[in-house]
Amino acid sequence: GENVEQHPSTLSVQEGDSAVIKCTYSDSASNYFPWYKQELGKRPQLIIDIRSNVGEKKDQRIAVTLNKTAKHFSLHITETQPEDSAVYFCAAGPWGGAQKLVFGQGTRLTINP
Amino acid sequence: GAVVSQHPSRVICKSGTSVKIECRSLDFQATTMFWYRQFPKQSLMLMATSNEGSKATYEQGVEKDKFLINHASLTLSTLTVTSAHPEDSSFYICSARVYSGGWETQYFGPGTRLLVL
Repeated sequence: GENVEQHPSTLSVQEGDSAVIKCTYSDSASNYFPWYKQELGKRPQLIIDIRSNVGEKKDQRIAVTLNKTAKHFSLHITETQPEDSAVYFCAAGPWGGAQKLVFGQGTRLTINP
Repeated sequence: GAVVSQHPSRVICKSGTSVKIECRSLDFQATTMFWYRQFPKQSLMLMATSNEGSKATYEQGVEKDKFLINHASLTLSTLTVTSAHPEDSSFYICSARVYSGGWETQYFGPGTRLLVL
């Protein structure tokens, strides 16, 4: 089955700097890669996703890149702000069908003012 | 985005009792919902896939008689933790598969924090 590895587990950056979180996956059949942001005690919120027919996707300060050959994808947050502090989860799964997602271990991002 | 609700948000129960958690899609129909469990500072672990009108599909290691899932309508899935014990204390989150603009994704409910005494 699919296995998703995420790193780093914790990341601390200065406000205004960029943050990068990386994930690798094992199943070449996976073609859907969402990223979720979870604040303490709250639901995971979808912030961006990418499908395997696209190499990069951007939404304002957030971007995701995908290297399907190497089986890794990354989340990039630019111009970080204190409200970006949260736990971020990557996930991988098939697009369509049951769409069962396998999640990474999570990255606790702290933005220092 | 699509709205998924859960009820209750928090429940405390005595060991040996059963607890039912509801997951509702508020503005769309969800033929497929998912139930996850999350321990403190850990990732989301898929417990089962809930399909409307059919039996749920459980992940390896999840006891189907312990965690009963019913998806009787297109907007409601329920998870019942039977004969709950302290080790069942956790954060339970549901999600719903959503089709929008030709894409498919998952939106999560707010979660239910279960504490078994």
